[in-house]
Amino acid sequence: GENVEQHPSTLSVQEGDSAVIKCTYSDSASNYFPWYKQELGKGPQLIIDIRSNVGEKKDQRIAVTLNKTAKHFSLHITETQPEDSAVYFCAASATGGSYIPTFGRGTSLIVHP
Amino acid sequence: KAGVTQTPRYLIKTRGQQVTLSCSPISGHRSVSWYQQTPGQGLQFLFEYFSETQRNKGNFPGRFSGRQFSNSRSEMNVSTLELGDSALYLCASSPDLSMTYNYGYTFGSGTRLTVV
Repeated sequence: GENVEQHPSTLSVQEGDSAVIKCTYSDSASNYFPWYKQELGKGPQLIIDIRSNVGEKKDQRIAVTLNKTAKHFSLHITETQPEDSAVYFCAASATGGSYIPTFGRGTSLIVHP
Repeated sequence: KAGVTQTPRYLIKTRGQQVTLSCSPISGHRSVSWYQQTPGQGLQFLFEYFSETQRNKGNFPGRFSGRQFSNSRSEMNVSTLELGDSALYLCASSPDLSMTYNYGYTFGSGTRLTVV
C-alpha cells in the first residue's frame, strides 16, 4: 500500500520567515495530494491541494510543488504569521482505486512573534 | 451550513469497557470515514461507510466497529478498551469518496478518548 513520509516533525520559525514541509510517497499511482491544517482543538481542514498533472499551485501565501519523478511534494508558506501555528498533514490518494488518502504523520509548525 | 458534528467531545473510560462515538456528517454527504489520531502514528484510517454499508476498512482489530444509519449519521464502537486506544477519533464526511479528489474531506473536531 501507499506510504507517506513527512518531514520535519517540528518546525520553529520567526514571524515573517518562510516555512517548508516536505513529503514523499511510494505509490506511483497516487495522483492527488491534499494538505490539511489542524489548529488546536479542531479537526484538520483542507488548505490546498495539487493533482499529478500540475507541478505547482499557489494560493496567496501558501504554495505546493510536486515532483512526480522523485515522488515528493512540498508545502511552502511565506511571510509566516502567528496564526499559521498549527499541525500540518500531507496526504496522497489515487483515483480509480478506493480514494482513501494516506496521511503523513504531521508537522507541528510554531511561528514565534 | 452546519459542519461535521461529533459527540461527545471528551470521554474517559476504564480498561475493559466499551464506548460509542457519534458523527453527524454535513447534510447531503453520504460517505463517512473514521480516523484515529495519535501523536506517534498520525491519522490512521479505521473504516468508511456509504449508504449504510461499510465499503472500506483499515487495519484495526475487530474490537473497532461502526455503522451508518439511513440519515447518514454514523457511530463507531470500541469494545474491551485498552490503554492504547486513547486517541482523538476523527470523523470525516464527503458526498462520496470520489469527491475527495476535488474537495477533500470535511473533518469534525473529534472525540478525545482517554482510557485509564
